[in-house]
Amino acid sequence: DAEITQSPRHKITETGRQVTLACHQTWNHNNMFWYRQDLGHGLRLIHYSYGVQDTNKGEVSDGYSVSRSNTEDLPLTLESAASSQTSVYFCASSDNPNEKLFFGSGTQLSVL
Amino acid sequence: QKEVEQNSGPLSVPEGAIASLNCTYSDRGSQSFFWYRQYSGKSPELIMSIYSNGDKEDGRFTAQLNKASQYVSLLIRDSQPSDSATYLCAVSANSGYALNFGKGTSLLVTP
Repeated sequence: DAEITQSPRHKITETGRQVTLACHQTWNHNNMFWYRQDLGHGLRLIHYSYGVQDTNKGEVSDGYSVSRSNTEDLPLTLESAASSQTSVYFCASSDNPNEKLFFGSGTQLSVL
Repeated sequence: QKEVEQNSGPLSVPEGAIASLNCTYSDRGSQSFFWYRQYSGKSPELIMSIYSNGDKEDGRFTAQLNKASQYVSLLIRDSQPSDSATYLCAVSANSGYALNFGKGTSLLVTP
């Protein structure tokens, strides 16, 4: 069965370190998204991609970057982790940018 | 920033009652509307989508859309304790931009 997987499920890191969260989907979807979810803020869009070599900034992109070298993967990199980036991160994909999102299981990131 | 507003709750209803969840949005160009359910510690899952004015029913769930009032709602009939979760409203514009989510409404169904 097709799926979308995120790794790691839990990550603890220190302030200032570079961190990369992985997202891999086997739906063959062109569209992939990264959201963060914080209490009181809901899901906020970080970056998204509509295809290979395409990346776009979302609402809360500062301090984050993505690259899309193939259809299956959209890794999210925190260049220099900050305590404000402690959050739950969800990767999602879709067949159409306005349509149903398939979510990964999430990554709980703690920056100490 | 296009906004999607929801009452954070918690909304508490007794088992068997109708739960009514509401959502307003600011972008008049919005075309697609979704309700996701999220259990604590889990990822969101789609329960309803609606694209045109009126009602759409799927089992115990009914989504209602009023584009003139920029309002979308979700009704859950015969509420069950297993319906206790956070319900996220999501809206997308015709431009193809990614879904914009509300902060979610917490629903508690009491036995």
